[in-house]
Amino acid sequence: DADVTQTPRNRITKTGKRIMLECSQTKGHDRMYWYRQDPGLGLRLIYYSFDVKDINKGEISDGYSVSRQAQAKFSLSLESAIPNQTALYFCATNSGTNTDTQYFGPGTRLTVL
Amino acid sequence: QKEVEQNSGPLSVPEGAIASLNCTYSDRGSQSFFWYRQYSGKSPELIMSIYSNGDKEDGRFTAQLNKASQYVSLLIRDSQPSDSATYLCAVYNDYKLSFGAGTTVTVRA
Repeated sequence: DADVTQTPRNRITKTGKRIMLECSQTKGHDRMYWYRQDPGLGLRLIYYSFDVKDINKGEISDGYSVSRQAQAKFSLSLESAIPNQTALYFCATNSGTNTDTQYFGPGTRLTVL
Repeated sequence: QKEVEQNSGPLSVPEGAIASLNCTYSDRGSQSFFWYRQYSGKSPELIMSIYSNGDKEDGRFTAQLNKASQYVSLLIRDSQPSDSATYLCAVYNDYKLSFGAGTTVTVRA
């Protein structure tokens, strides 16, 4: 089984709808991250969490919110989706040391019409 | 200024040649540097990490780090068609990774 899973893998929604992307990990790591990727822009950090009670905004948090339900679960919500939130979204986790690999989920392709 | 910048692509190299990828970063206090490979529509996968000045070799890949110049590079020797992908430079600082925009490499047979 994959270490980091994301659901759904693909989603098409309409402007104004609320949508939640879910992430689960079996690595036992405390740190979890949400990124979005747009063509030519690399990966940009939306939110990150160092433990269940610690949530931090990344560089592009506007229009997004997150919930850390447990050590293994970190959800990203778009309260009112807009077309420019169409992107590929990745969840990631690592152990917290600066030498550790960051493990990525398979990604969620979100299209907002 | 972006935190991490990579040389613009795409980069096209013939099979068997060396592909050279460059990356600069702005935070002089950065300590950890990574290269990820990403195939189209897939998640990034780590191929190299480097923490001290100099070269680090792993198979056909060599990472080079120069902290004084705030510069990281990746060489891919004997390039193969399977190396065709986007390569992302990442720098760890302030408890999180910052990524460059990526350089797309195409290895032509």
